[in-house]
Amino acid sequence: QSVLSQPPSASGTPGQRVTISCSGSDSNIGSNYVFWYQQLPGMAPKRLIYRNNQRPSGVPVRFSGSKSGASASLAIIGLRSEDEADYYCAAWDDSLRGWVFGGGTKVTVL
Amino acid sequence: QVQLVESGGGLVEPGGSLRLSCAASGFIFSDYYMTWIRRAPGKGLEWISYVSNSGVVTNYADSVRGRFTISRDNAKKSLYLQMSGLRVEDTAVYYCVRDFSQNYYDSSGHEYWGQGILVTVSS
Repeated sequence: QSVLSQPPSASGTPGQRVTISCSGSDSNIGSNYVFWYQQLPGMAPKRLIYRNNQRPSGVPVRFSGSKSGASASLAIIGLRSEDEADYYCAAWDDSLRGWVFGGGTKVTVL
Repeated sequence: QVQLVESGGGLVEPGGSLRLSCAASGFIFSDYYMTWIRRAPGKGLEWISYVSNSGVVTNYADSVRGRFTISRDNAKKSLYLQMSGLRVEDTAVYYCVRDFSQNYYDSSGHEYWGQGILVTVSS
């Protein structure tokens, strides 16, 4: 059971908008930055969003992050076939003094 | 460029031990905390442990506390994970990850990951 809660799956057709939610608590998302990672099959995870809504160079603008209270979300605007992957949210947890992750959301492009 | 290369994985019987290593290059190793993260088959990412840049401060997830020991050798630019009392549920791909430099609240996230090394615990 992961500390952060994500839906196990999400899907959409090419060009659609897909949103992934991530729910935590005051000790993690509520008081610290949220990060998002993309993991393609057989690959190491890749940083997608940092500090709630910052996009590293090279990450397409169709990926955006937001945070409100103890929840966060990742939006993929204009879904593409290469976006089919597992997506994870993460945050520091003040109580555990370590990183906590969501269980991951598998995005399928129909 | 930053590179993290894990080694030492393999097949081990329940109750056995294994030591993972991670060779770092392309950055000032002693400036950064380092972290191990794993992904078990069919499951999500799980943070396992971190060690401070000096090696003095460590912390562990409850799932491995008392069984795993993280350490580093800054002169060799290497990170280690000594795993003992291994269980079937420790079967996973283990990733060596560069963490923050000073404090978690300064973190820009886990930008650099190794390719991962498979540890299989089975009889």
